[in-house]
Amino acid sequence: LAKTTQPISMDSYEGQEVNITCSHNNIATNDYITWYQQFPSQGPRFIIQGYKTKVTNEVASLFIPADRKSSTLSLPRVSLSDTAVYYCLAATGNTGKLIFGQGTTLQVKP
Amino acid sequence: KAGVTQTPRYLIKTRGQQVTLSCSPISGHRSVSWYQQTPGQGLQFLFEYFSETQRNKGNFPGRFSGRQFSNSRSEMNVSTLELGDSALYLCASSLGTSGDEQFFGPGTRLTVL
Repeated sequence: LAKTTQPISMDSYEGQEVNITCSHNNIATNDYITWYQQFPSQGPRFIIQGYKTKVTNEVASLFIPADRKSSTLSLPRVSLSDTAVYYCLAATGNTGKLIFGQGTTLQVKP
Repeated sequence: KAGVTQTPRYLIKTRGQQVTLSCSPISGHRSVSWYQQTPGQGLQFLFEYFSETQRNKGNFPGRFSGRQFSNSRSEMNVSTLELGDSALYLCASSLGTSGDEQFFGPGTRLTVL
């Protein structure tokens, strides 16, 4: 059974780098891994997406090993405004159904 | 460019009733996906529509259905509401090709009494 697993919560301090790892067994071989950020009372917002190796944009990096059984979202130098819930999203290998991780609540402290 | 809009934003229904939620995607987007979000189950994929056809479906009972119109607007319907259907229902639109970024709406908060 396909499953996407993330840590439930993480704490960090302003200015630190935060890495959140998502495990996704049985991932579709030809689909992307996507990460979203969600603030209270808002819909999720796209952060970054990748297929393999490393992707970087202006807000984050995404590391995906060759076996694609996990991915790590890296947020450099977090600030208080990065306090949010972070979700990984991947498609299952068997059916292509989209599976969200349960979300990681990141609390950034001053 | 206007974002994804969902109506209504809040809804209260009683058990056994049915409900229809509406989603207007970003102009030019042809794919609309629906998700249910609850504290216990997190974000769960309901279904995806592309060019008026259901392209993918999650593991929800047949009480949950949807459709998409020629202008890409989408509706989802839940019949015979149960208490457990209380949730935030989110829709997301994208261009529709593999790897496209999904843009989420603010959601419809459904409460079933």
